Amino acid sequence: QAVVTQEPSLTVSPGGTVTLTCASSTGAVTADHYSYWFQQKPGQAPTTLIYDTIEKHSWTPARFSGSLRGGKAALTLSGAQPEDEAEYHCLLSFGGVVSDSELSYSGDRYVVFGGGTKLTVL
Amino acid sequence: QVPLVQSGAEVKKPGASVKVACKASGYTFTAYYMHWVRQAPGQGLEPMAWTNPHRRDTKVAQKFQGRVTLTTDTSTDTAYMELRGLRPDDTATYFCASGLRGGAYYYAMDVWGQGTTVTVSS
Repeated sequence: QAVVTQEPSLTVSPGGTVTLTCASSTGAVTADHYSYWFQQKPGQAPTTLIYDTIEKHSWTPARFSGSLRGGKAALTLSGAQPEDEAEYHCLLSFGGVVSDSELSYSGDRYVVFGGGTKLTVL
Repeated sequence: QVPLVQSGAEVKKPGASVKVACKASGYTFTAYYMHWVRQAPGQGLEPMAWTNPHRRDTKVAQKFQGRVTLTTDTSTDTAYMELRGLRPDDTATYFCASGLRGGAYYYAMDVWGQGTTVTVSS
């Protein structure tokens, strides 16, 4: 099973820009890993920021964006706010491909979380 | 309106079972994938299992096979996760997380329940 790796901690200045990354032990992360990004504040449940690599939910602040960068999934925060201080988790999917709302796969399907990045706004 | 509301905290003895409920509101949750994820104190997120009753697609992660059962009650729009043979290292917060897209998106975790704390102690 794949191991997914994130930076353990990062610091950004208020108003600054920071990029968090999410790497897979199996090789380059692609669109077929359907990466997700979640924000979790202490004592709270995670909330979903980004899905399918680049897509945002209606509740996702515009300052967050997702991408693929250098073989990794990436979450960029542009114009950091104090309330963005939190743990950020990525999720990668393996073994299944969804096309035209249909699923194709051979062998095992599974999902793996990264270890999380603690983001400090300071 | 919060779409997923979970049952309250539980304290169990080693060897016992726990059944966590996740009630959906405002949408037909059986058409979407429902995931169960846990988080031990101070640790990252760990996927446990998923189910989509409409597609008859259920998977339990290898680590939990033989101990986890997922069920759904469509009359009350409630999903359940039962974990048997509890051990002290099962002490964690257990989350349900649902996709918001029908179809084959097995990996989707778009909205989350608030979490249920399960403490296993003799």
